[in-house]
Amino acid sequence: DTGVSQNPRHKITKRGQNVTFRCDPISEHNRLYWYRQTLGQGPEFLTYFQNEAQLEKSRLLSDRFSAERPKGSFSTLEIQRTEQGDSAMYLCASSSSFGSMNTEAFFGQGTRLTVV
Amino acid sequence: AQKVTQAQTEISVVEKEDVTLDCVYETRDTTYYLFWYKQPPSGELVFLIRRNSFDEQNEISGRYSWNFQKSTSSFNFTITASQVVDSAVYFCALSEAYSGAGSYQLTFGKGTKLSVIP
Repeated sequence: DTGVSQNPRHKITKRGQNVTFRCDPISEHNRLYWYRQTLGQGPEFLTYFQNEAQLEKSRLLSDRFSAERPKGSFSTLEIQRTEQGDSAMYLCASSSSFGSMNTEAFFGQGTRLTVV
Repeated sequence: AQKVTQAQTEISVVEKEDVTLDCVYETRDTTYYLFWYKQPPSGELVFLIRRNSFDEQNEISGRYSWNFQKSTSSFNFTITASQVVDSAVYFCALSEAYSGAGSYQLTFGKGTKLSVIP
């Protein structure tokens, strides 16, 4: 396992269409995060999974966004009825936890979404 | 609420010059982690360092060094003898260190774009 893998790398979609992104974390990592990064900004937290449980969601995550992590392995992020404002880089990260401690998060290369 | 400020939006240096990237943070947590990540044009965030708030010792790794000063809430990053390959956007970030229910989400600054000119 060489790191966090995200697919696709690039996605162009028409406004109103649905899109789904996939993230495969580092295999031994139980924590998985989704972030969104717009041009010229730092990544912003969207949601977090510990194993298969989605434990936290940012207010940035509107009802059109849904994320899953079945079986605590890979995760998918779906955006329904895309809007131009959804255009951004979507980054996935994973980390391990040991008790109440957390290791550093490792990021994938991201999926760049362009809504036209 | 947590906040990370990177006041330098863009910096240009000539190769072999030293450069310092500033990071100032705000948090109510008594224990926390500070991070630096590098984002080259390919887009992937590359982990550089994590620092525990208990440990104020400066750290050096090759041409990279970090200066953590809790008194001024700063965690600055210096690249010595910069190289063209150092050109990237650098992000400072902050997270909780210990929490039974916390997600340890990272709060990022807006980043500093470093251009190293040959």
